[in-house]
Amino acid sequence: EAGVAQSPRYKIIEKRQSVAFWCNPISGHATLYWYQQILGQGPKLLIQFQNNGVVDDSQLPKDRFSAERLKGVDSTLKIQPAKLEDSAVYLCASSLEGTSGTEQFFGPGTRLTVL
Amino acid sequence: AQTVTQSQPEMSVQEAETVTLSCTYDTSENNYYLFWYKQPPSRQMILVIRQEAYKQQNATENRFSVNFQKAAKSFSLKISDSQLGDTAMYFCAFRETSGSRLTFGEGTQLTVNP
Repeated sequence: EAGVAQSPRYKIIEKRQSVAFWCNPISGHATLYWYQQILGQGPKLLIQFQNNGVVDDSQLPKDRFSAERLKGVDSTLKIQPAKLEDSAVYLCASSLEGTSGTEQFFGPGTRLTVL
Repeated sequence: AQTVTQSQPEMSVQEAETVTLSCTYDTSENNYYLFWYKQPPSRQMILVIRQEAYKQQNATENRFSVNFQKAAKSFSLKISDSQLGDTAMYFCAFRETSGSRLTFGEGTQLTVNP
């Protein structure tokens, strides 16, 4: 079974530039999550999708971050414009459903460096 | 709001020995799930073990077991017969029954020495 795929693996940009990350979840997984992991910290949920609808985006900085999951499969997370504090690893995860006991499977992440 | 605390930023253990990683959490919920995730240098988070709060029996997965103390809000991970491949960052995480958001602790970097 193929795992969660993410691209790119690394990205370096200057502040005020825009950047986009892509995630392809495990086939058949209805729920998709984007996490932000700042160096030395645990991941923090940014947004959760159930199929192509948003379930939780309470911790997403909506003035600069946006995400979409068209057709309920792949997802894109965008930052525009980027700030220095956005430097982090962005993890995508998926699960079969969104209930609390369901295992979340994580991708390898995208490491973003903002200069 | 739920919080998860891991008070040990770094731990080390000799190969084949046993090590215990600590985790405490704060919640007003009665039913919830607790998890331990492993994150090796490759960054891929891998689920190690899961505990349901309403189950009194501690979860075990091969060399990994937990000591779940609900009243004390404590959830420690014991790794027996440590292997070099166990070297990784370990995160404790909480998830309430009614929701699906995972709240992670700060992590403990475990190094297994040969």
